[in-house]
Amino acid sequence: DIQMTQSPSSLSASVGDRVTITCQASQDIDDSLNWYQQKPGKAPKLLIYETSNLESGVPSRFSGSGSRTNFIFTISSLQPEDIATYYCQQYENLPYRFGQGTKLEIK
Amino acid sequence: QVHLQQWGAGLLKPSETLSLTCTVLNGSFSGYYWSWLRQPPGKGLEWIGEINRSGGANDNPSLKSRVSISLDTSKNQFSLSLTSVTAADTGVYYCARQRPYGYTFGQFDLWGQGTLVTVSS
Repeated sequence: DIQMTQSPSSLSASVGDRVTITCQASQDIDDSLNWYQQKPGKAPKLLIYETSNLESGVPSRFSGSGSRTNFIFTISSLQPEDIATYYCQQYENLPYRFGQGTKLEIK
Repeated sequence: QVHLQQWGAGLLKPSETLSLTCTVLNGSFSGYYWSWLRQPPGKGLEWIGEINRSGGANDNPSLKSRVSISLDTSKNQFSLSLTSVTAADTGVYYCARQRPYGYTFGQFDLWGQGTLVTVSS
């Protein structure tokens, strides 16, 4: 199985800050990586697919980059509504696996 | 607008079988894969298994062959059965749609509302 390691596990930032989350795969997954946002009590929402493609309707302050084993998710200017937990997910091989999540809070 | 509606028993005793069903409303069933995922309380997401339009299925080996996923195309529904549940199976269960992208179906682009399943004696 491919293991996904996200960091940090939690993050506190101010409105307007640039926020970065990293995700590391235990082996080469090419660009087969998605990012999701989950708000409390809600289902996850797909934000970024295939490493860097923005899902339709998702604000452009969200972005993704990386390849092979190292990936980055960025919020260019944090907004209050971005408070959530973020997950990376690989789909290079079955079983699909998620990172452990990064809980984002407002400072 | 397409959405997924799921239902099933929320309280089980150890050794019982978990059964959940998800229906696709206002949308097509064909051309997609369909998955079940779960989330233990306060923890991350785990993929349980998937099924395609033809009924071909894959599941997570971590669940040690306790999983069965089926579909009823006439009703636009797919179902999950998880046998011999224990307290470790407690969590919110989600159904989700996997859209085609290139040669893969690895993006979960539409989710059900979630069902809390509690296993307790």
